[in-house]
Amino acid sequence: DAGITQSPRHKVTETGTPVTLRCHQTENHRYMYWYRQDPGHGLRLIHYSYGVKDTDKGEVSDGYSVSRSKTEDFLLTLESATSSQTSVYFCAISPGTGDGYTFGSGTRLTVV
Amino acid sequence: GENVEQHPSTLSVQEGDSAVIKCTYSDSASNYFPWYKQELGKGPQLIIDIRSNVGEKKDQRIAVTLNKTAKHFSLHITETQPEDSAVYFCAAAGQGTYKYIFGTGTRLKVLA
Repeated sequence: DAGITQSPRHKVTETGTPVTLRCHQTENHRYMYWYRQDPGHGLRLIHYSYGVKDTDKGEVSDGYSVSRSKTEDFLLTLESATSSQTSVYFCAISPGTGDGYTFGSGTRLTVV
Repeated sequence: GENVEQHPSTLSVQEGDSAVIKCTYSDSASNYFPWYKQELGKGPQLIIDIRSNVGEKKDQRIAVTLNKTAKHFSLHITETQPEDSAVYFCAAAGQGTYKYIFGTGTRLKVLA
């Protein structure tokens, strides 16, 4: 997806290990978001950022933390991965609230 | 709490026929309603959106209608083509809020 890159695309990790997913944008958008996608649940917001070092929790934030030290990068960390965190994770960006999102291609995370 | 219900969960149509997907939202303060298309292995892509001061919006074969009184909005795809096969998500958001509430998705299959 133009202007937004997620890494890695796929990851398998063991229960109890920390995991960091990266989202990088070249659009200079203020807002960045992390969602998880699970069958039957659609897209659920984990955390979001409204500027450098400004972040807030979404509806499913337990077990996750985020950091944004630069406009272009938004990191999602699973502090101690659990099997319930097996999911597809999407990063999204938007220029402002009430604007459409641009999503990344996703990271498929499997916790074994 | 705030909720967006999306129906149907799956929809099969013959090529050339029309497809309609409906969403109902609960938060009367919602004023922005985007629709996303997600192809296999990719992130959702914004295809059309509508704001609460407009009742209908069209873009070629795609249209969205909004009924604020009934709190529902619909996606209409005419002259469907095989490349329209994907999962479609609706969402609702309030003014000035990061908080998009997504529907659970509709898997559209266009049969050749």
